[in-house]
Amino acid sequence: QKEVEQNSGPLSVPEGAIASLNCTYSDRGSQSFFWYRQYSGKSPELIMSIYSNGDKEDGRFTAQLNKASQYVSLLIRDSQPSDSATYLCAVKGQAGTALIFGKGTTLSVSS
Amino acid sequence: GAVVSQHPSWVICKSGTSVKIECRSLDFQATTMFWYRQFPKQSLMLMATSNEGSKATYEQGVEKDKFLINHASLTLSTLTVTSAHPEDSSFYICSAGDRVTEAFFGQGTRLTVV
Repeated sequence: QKEVEQNSGPLSVPEGAIASLNCTYSDRGSQSFFWYRQYSGKSPELIMSIYSNGDKEDGRFTAQLNKASQYVSLLIRDSQPSDSATYLCAVKGQAGTALIFGKGTTLSVSS
Repeated sequence: GAVVSQHPSWVICKSGTSVKIECRSLDFQATTMFWYRQFPKQSLMLMATSNEGSKATYEQGVEKDKFLINHASLTLSTLTVTSAHPEDSSFYICSAGDRVTEAFFGQGTRLTVV
């Protein structure tokens, strides 16, 4: 059974702080890793993708991947109230296979 | 990025009726599309994998006779919820991607069965 685990939260941070979201996965054959943001009642929106070990930065977002530890994280710098949402970690094996999602972490950024 | 369009965005139907949801890839050909279901405060659960020109592959516990999937072209997959019941009320989301990596999601369909 391929599993993706996330802390459901809620994670509460003040505006301007760094939010750190974590995810672990069970399938060592996983090749692609994604972070999606989902607002209530809306479809997930892709924020970051990462495929190799290390860090990948895009604006205020940094994804980190450690395949040996089967761990992927997302850092959000200078958090804004508009970042308040549920963040879904997703993992994918070979091309053409479906994404496996974690249950999501709810982030609340207070102004 | 690629665009996936899903229709309708919401639907209310009577118990016992059938509802069809469409998922279209607008600017790329999708040999594979995926259908997910999301209950309130839950994550997305994969229901089935839709393959163009062949039968869909259903996840364990998903009734293939109840959730009919048709993928007749490289740009269109449909999910039909047959004989819908209130417990089928959920948020249904399709996704499609290129051969390599990313999945792009449709807008989702909020189904309410009364």
